[in-house]
Amino acid sequence: SQQGEEDPQALSIQEGENATMNCSYKTSINNLQWYRQNSGRGLVHLILIRSNEREKHSGRLRVTLDTSKKSSSLLITASRAADTASYFCATDAKDSWGKLQFGAGTQVVVTP
Amino acid sequence: DTGVSQDPRHKITKRGQNVTFRCDPISEHNRLYWYRQTLGQGPEFLTYFQNEAQLEKSRLLSDRFSAERPKGSFSTLEIQRTEQGDSAMYLCASSPEVNSNQPQHFGDGTRLSIL
Repeated sequence: SQQGEEDPQALSIQEGENATMNCSYKTSINNLQWYRQNSGRGLVHLILIRSNEREKHSGRLRVTLDTSKKSSSLLITASRAADTASYFCATDAKDSWGKLQFGAGTQVVVTP
Repeated sequence: DTGVSQDPRHKITKRGQNVTFRCDPISEHNRLYWYRQTLGQGPEFLTYFQNEAQLEKSRLLSDRFSAERPKGSFSTLEIQRTEQGDSAMYLCASSPEVNSNQPQHFGDGTRLSIL
């Protein structure tokens, strides 16, 4: 079963616009991670946010975490065509020994 | 390149055949994970190793599946008597010690197609 649920399932934007996607989960977590996957490739780690953190930045990426609502968001600012990919949130649940539970992902298409 | 490598990248086989995939993790990583990903879905956990010990197996891992990590280095995932439902991308990931709040590093996967 998949713990995380991403919203929206798909997102189409133009270059320069911001893209926001949300993730909800069900259990207590050690951390929440966001990954990107290009078609036919493996997952690339973007950001890890710990359960005691509320916001984290990395370049054009901003992640928030609200443990009371069991939700997270990923914001990509000033999007580029190269940002076209599927984005997944994954939770490292407490007592899970590090195994990740992924959502179904958000497919983002950035058009020039 | 010192990332996670998987071999082969693609495998096409007939139903009923056995297949074996290999994963070479990042050398200093103790933890190794296998996931399966079907089209349009996120990866689903299959099993993981701490060094050479297999510590957990998902119920997705039927008795036709077996994984090993001899000597705590590379790992193999074997599927016996393949079925069409086994068609998927099989992903391997590695990470450092448990409870270190470290991300997992993924390989590019092995895409399995069952004819």
